[in-house]
Amino acid sequence: EDQVTQSPEALRLQEGESSSLNCSYTVSGLRGLFWYRQDPGKGPEFLFTLYSAGEEKEKERLKATLTKKESFLHITAPKPEDSATYLCAVQSPGNQFYFGTGTSLTVIP
Amino acid sequence: IAGITQAPTSQILAAGRRMTLRCTQDMRHNAMYWYRQDLGLGLRLIHYSNTAGTTGKGEVPDGYSVSRANTDDFPLTLASAVPSQTSVYFCASSRSGNNEQFFGPGTRLTVL
Repeated sequence: EDQVTQSPEALRLQEGESSSLNCSYTVSGLRGLFWYRQDPGKGPEFLFTLYSAGEEKEKERLKATLTKKESFLHITAPKPEDSATYLCAVQSPGNQFYFGTGTSLTVIP
Repeated sequence: IAGITQAPTSQILAAGRRMTLRCTQDMRHNAMYWYRQDLGLGLRLIHYSNTAGTTGKGEVPDGYSVSRANTDDFPLTLASAVPSQTSVYFCASSRSGNNEQFFGPGTRLTVL
C-alpha cells in the first residue's frame, strides 16, 4: 500500500536554529515527490519537485533532498515568516497522489 | 483573474441534499484535481482529470462525481450529502499530470 509519513508532527524552532523535516514513503515506481507549504486557512503552495534519488533543490532558506525511501526538507536559519505547515506528497505510476499529514513548523523570534 | 477560484467559500448543507462545488482555472492547465482535507488525515485525492473529457478516481471517490466538459472548469458534485463529507475541499490544477499542482483557496463544507 502506498503511504507517506511525515515527522515530526510539530516543530518549534528559535529564529536562526536550523533543522530538518522528514518525509518517508513507500510507493512502487515513484514518479515524483513534491513539497508544499500551507498557511492556515489557505491552499497548499508548491515548493519543490524531486524525481530521482540523489536529487536536491534549493530555494532561499529551504533545501529538499531525496533518497529511495525518504526526503528531507532542510531549513537553514529560519525566520518567523517560515512558520507554516509543510506537506510532502508522492505520485505513483497510477497517477495517484498521496499526501502526508504534514509538519507544523513554528519559528519563534 | 489569475489562478484557481473555488465557490462557494463555505457552505452548511442538510444531509441528503445535492451540492456542487465549483472550480475554475485560467492557466490553461490540462490536469485538474479535487482533494478533501481532514484533521489528522491530510489531503486525500477524490477525483482527477488529466485532460478535458476524461476523469479518474482517486483514493476516496465514493459519494462524489466530477465532469470535465472543458479545460477551465472541474465541478465536484455530492449527489446526496452525508455528515462524513464534512471537510475542507481543495481544487488544484497542473500543466500536465507530472507537474506541480496549484491549489485553490478551498471550500469549507459542513453537512448536518
